[in-house]
Amino acid sequence: QSALTQPASVSGSPGQAITISCTGTSIDGGDFKCFSWFQQHPGKAPKLLLYDVDNRPSGVSNRFSGSKSGNTASLTISGLQAEDEADYYCGSKTTDNTYIFGIGTKVTVL
Amino acid sequence: EVRVVQSGAEVKKPGNSLKISCKGSGYTFTNYWIGWVRQRPGKGLEWMGVINPADSHTTYSPSFQGLVTISVDASFNTAYLQLSSLKAADTAIYYCARLDGFHYASGYQPCYFDYWGQGTHVTVSS
Repeated sequence: QSALTQPASVSGSPGQAITISCTGTSIDGGDFKCFSWFQQHPGKAPKLLLYDVDNRPSGVSNRFSGSKSGNTASLTISGLQAEDEADYYCGSKTTDNTYIFGIGTKVTVL
Repeated sequence: EVRVVQSGAEVKKPGNSLKISCKGSGYTFTNYWIGWVRQRPGKGLEWMGVINPADSHTTYSPSFQGLVTISVDASFNTAYLQLSSLKAADTAIYYCARLDGFHYASGYQPCYFDYWGQGTHVTVSS
């Protein structure tokens, strides 16, 4: 599998909640143990947002949360803010111990 | 404070070679793998490969196997990405990142990229 599947774009108004999905058949043996989400603002390096599906590193807002169902993981951004406008990537270790990223989702705050 | 700092931007001609450095500080360098990621202009993230600084064992993406070389000098807490026979298509930002994961008494399972370098812009042009 060359990349995990994500929607190309998602948009929402300030204060709303949006959800980004990520689907892949080779994710980590299926248990999502090594699944993560990244945020990338224009011109900046990616930043770890969530790891092990729904764990937040220190300093990441609790407006970001994760879940999984079957072979799909989801990132939810609650209380959408202008600063959340960025590209979001999912990433995972795969069943053959390589790593893979999603194609990326551009989040627009209307 | 954990920091991952990469070498500066490069402009190269087609056919040249290039070696990018990635220095880790604020943690025990040999306890965490380092990975490399490519991002072409306007495109997404592509995983290139990883290295274990403790024993220099590498794993490459099939897409980059044979095209790049990842190495490490643990005495300098630095990992390297070497690109050879550069082409215009190699124009990209190259990121290195530390891999954290699950730590056990017997070692650790690297899982996710937690600290990223600032990126190295590489331009290949005649």
